[in-house]
Amino acid sequence: AQTVTQSQPEMSVQEAETVTLSCTYDTSESDYYLFWYKQPPSRQMILVIRQEAYKQQNATENRFSVNFQKAAKSFSLKISDSQLGDAAMYFCAYRGYSSASKIIFGSGTRLSIRP
Amino acid sequence: DSGVTQTPKHLITATGQRVTLRCSPRSGDLSVYWYQQSLDQGLQFLIQYYNGEERAKGNILERFSAQQFPDLHSELNLSSLELGDSALYFCASSPSGRGATDTQYFGPGTRLTVL
Repeated sequence: AQTVTQSQPEMSVQEAETVTLSCTYDTSESDYYLFWYKQPPSRQMILVIRQEAYKQQNATENRFSVNFQKAAKSFSLKISDSQLGDAAMYFCAYRGYSSASKIIFGSGTRLSIRP
Repeated sequence: DSGVTQTPKHLITATGQRVTLRCSPRSGDLSVYWYQQSLDQGLQFLIQYYNGEERAKGNILERFSAQQFPDLHSELNLSSLELGDSALYFCASSPSGRGATDTQYFGPGTRLTVL
């Protein structure tokens, strides 16, 4: 079975600084997708960034980028120039390509931003 | 706004009762997913429907059931409620339920409190 592990329950960063959230996963599938979702206090689940496992190039979305290490099964999220609005729970997630389309979520990392 | 709507936003009920949560997917999306999130934990996949038929099942209790109607809206029925069923229940929708570009969009969630 696939698992997703986030070993940092909480992180804190100074506004305008850079922070990296860690995620590791375990799977026997060769094709899959990895995601980072943001859940602000409103509880809405917002897709931040997505990475296809077959792509070697790391995904980037404005201030958000990932470091995808397929062999190590690692998928970290880097937030540059942190802003107060980035404060939220961040969930790393996995979806297999050939298996059922459910998403498997990690336990989350709570990110706080210090002004 | 993801385009996925869920009603009600909040629900408070007593143990032993039965409730129905409703979800309307984004226009054109054929697949609906239900997830449960308990107390700042990651989301747990419950069940997926595609165009009216059950496609995948996760950790859904026998006391819970779901269906997807011809107009593609979905309902999640929770019966014989227990205190531990208190959680945020998310619905997500996606165009097809599989494939490289099939992104799940999440609704705002229904917060269920069982007293």
